[in-house]
Amino acid sequence: NAGVTQTPKFQVLKTGQSMTLQCAQDMNHEYMSWYRQDPGMGLRLIHYSVGAGITDQGEVPNGYNVSRSTTEDFPLRLLSAAPSQTSVYFCASSNHPGNTEAFFGQGTRLTVV
Amino acid sequence: GENVEQHPSTLSVQEGDSAVIKCTYSDSASNYFPWYKQELGKRPQLIIDIRSNVGEKKDQRIAVTLNKTAKHFSLHITETQPEDSAVYFCAALTFSGGYNKLIFGAGTRLAVHP
Repeated sequence: NAGVTQTPKFQVLKTGQSMTLQCAQDMNHEYMSWYRQDPGMGLRLIHYSVGAGITDQGEVPNGYNVSRSTTEDFPLRLLSAAPSQTSVYFCASSNHPGNTEAFFGQGTRLTVV
Repeated sequence: GENVEQHPSTLSVQEGDSAVIKCTYSDSASNYFPWYKQELGKRPQLIIDIRSNVGEKKDQRIAVTLNKTAKHFSLHITETQPEDSAVYFCAALTFSGGYNKLIFGAGTRLAVHP
C-alpha cells in the first residue's frame, strides 16, 4: 500500500524560483491538507481540500497556492520562493474531513537560499 | 481561529516513569482531539484520539483525558520505554469557514533515559 506519496524528498531553491510539491494518495480520501513543520512551531496548516474542486486556506497560506482537480492529487505551489519558506512540508489525507486519522506523507525538506 | 497550546515543549524522564503532556484549545465547538507521535526523521503517526462525548480513553500504556469545560486535554504515558522517545503533537478539530480544520500544537519532545 503506497498511502500518501510526496515528491521530491529534498529540494534546494534560489530566492524567487517557483516549484510544485507533489502529493498523491491512493486511499480514495476526500480530505487532503498541507502542513509546514518548523522547529518549535509544530505543524501549521497551509491549505486544505475537502474534495475535488474545493480548497480553502489554513493558518499560513501566504506565498502558496493549491488546486484539487482529482481526488488523488493535491499539489502545493510556491510561486516565488523566499528564505522564510525553508521548512519541512507534509501532505496528509483522511477519509472524513479532519474527523478521522490523518495519514501523512514522508515529507519534503525544502531549503530556499 | 482555533489556537492549540501544548506544554511542556521538552520533557525528560527515566525509563519506567510516567510522562504527561497537556494541551489547551480555544474553540469550544471542537469535538475531536488526536495525538500524533513523530520519531526522528519520520512522518507523524496517530497514536490515540478522543472525541468530545467521552472523558478518557486508554490503549495499553497510553491514555488521553479530556475536560471540555476547561478546554484542555492530556496525554499520559505510563511505564515509559526508550522507544517512546519522540516528538508528540496534540491537535484539535475546529470548524470555520464552512469546513473542518485540524490544528496542531507546537509539539513536545520526550526523551526517555535508560
